[in-house]
Amino acid sequence: EAGVAQSPRYKIIEKRQSVAFWCNPISGHATLYWYQQILGQGPKLLIQFQNNGVVDDSQLPKDRFSAERLKGVDSTLKIQPAKLEDSAVYLCASSSLRSGPRSYNEQFFGPGTRLTVL
Amino acid sequence: SQQGEEDPQALSIQEGENATMNCSYKTSINNLQWYRQNSGRGLVHLILIRSNEREKHSGRLRVTLDTSKKSSSLLITASRAADTASYFCATAAHPGTYKYIFGTGTRLKVLA
Repeated sequence: EAGVAQSPRYKIIEKRQSVAFWCNPISGHATLYWYQQILGQGPKLLIQFQNNGVVDDSQLPKDRFSAERLKGVDSTLKIQPAKLEDSAVYLCASSSLRSGPRSYNEQFFGPGTRLTVL
Repeated sequence: SQQGEEDPQALSIQEGENATMNCSYKTSINNLQWYRQNSGRGLVHLILIRSNEREKHSGRLRVTLDTSKKSSSLLITASRAADTASYFCATAAHPGTYKYIFGTGTRLKVLA
């Protein structure tokens, strides 16, 4: 089974420029997550999709960040314009939901995109 | 905001020794997961423990959960150099939402 794919792996941009990241989840996984991981910290959830609908985007800085998941498969995360503090690793994860009273989900992570904003 | 905080922040041990790291969280949870992250890589799921469970084992891993203290511990027995990584706990507060909040992580270094 192929894992979660992300591209690019690395990106260096100047502040105020725009950047986009792409994620292809594991086939059949309904839920897709984007996380931001700043150096030395744990991943912080930015947005969660279930199929092509947004479940949670409460921590997404909507003035500069946007994300979409067309057709409930691939997803893109965009930053426009970028700030210095956006330098981080952006992780995409997907999961196959198991609903019910014993519901839980294991998230499968991609390798991440390391963004450096100069 | 971070829900969980791992302790210690960093741990250095000799190969063959056991490594114990702790996670404390703030709100009631449905389940708690532990993940490993090797340098420059994505996270890998290690083990899940539900709120009605007290202990789980998986190979060299043992996880305990004390909901009264809002804490969990991860024990890695007979550590190997390949166990060198950062370890994170992730908590799901609300059943069915599948939203996980990650802790700050413990950086483990196993010396050969």
